[in-house]
Amino acid sequence: DVKVTQSSRYLVKRTGEKVFLECVQDMDHENMFWYRQDPGLGLRLIYFSYDVKMKEKGDIPEGYSVSREKKERFSLILESASTNQTSMYLCASSPRPTGAYNSPLHFGNGTRLTVT
Amino acid sequence: QKEVEQNSGPLSVPEGAIASLNCTYSDRGSQSFFWYRQYSGKSPELIMFIYSNGDKEDGRFTAQLNKASQYVSLLIRDSQPSDSATYLCAVNTVIQGAQKLVFGQGTRLTINP
Repeated sequence: DVKVTQSSRYLVKRTGEKVFLECVQDMDHENMFWYRQDPGLGLRLIYFSYDVKMKEKGDIPEGYSVSREKKERFSLILESASTNQTSMYLCASSPRPTGAYNSPLHFGNGTRLTVT
Repeated sequence: QKEVEQNSGPLSVPEGAIASLNCTYSDRGSQSFFWYRQYSGKSPELIMFIYSNGDKEDGRFTAQLNKASQYVSLLIRDSQPSDSATYLCAVNTVIQGAQKLVFGQGTRLTINP
């Protein structure tokens, strides 16, 4: 079974702090993704990566950056946390490109981040 | 116009009945369609995908795709209380030249015993 592990389940940070969210997958997947999920807005893609050291902006990259130094690890960085970044953050991985018909996303358990 | 639209619900269905969840999408070129189930406080999990017009059955679940009308639906037969969850429709689409998976906002389904 694919396992995607997010380092923290709950996180509380102060405005202006630099925040790191870590994600590790154990299935040698090429593609990794960071989403945020908000009520009424659904899942929105922040960044994704299709290979080590490669990254692509998603729909809402502003205020975020990412790092992928190893294939199994994909980190999301909030450079200066703000209250509007309070959300549920979901990491996902996939063995094939997004467009492939048989390319399911395997999600981690999520990190609920609160910025005060 | 949102790329993928779902009725947010809540949709309430009696136990044993058929639950019908609908999703419309705007990109005519979309090729792959996914249904994810998300229990409260949990992450989404894939339950079905479909890419050809028509029906695809898996146990109590049937996905239906109509590309001409640009909708995809999920039927759950013999609904059980354990089916109570939010169901997310996801569609692969091309945005600014890149393929992306776009999610609807989800339909909250409640099965009443």
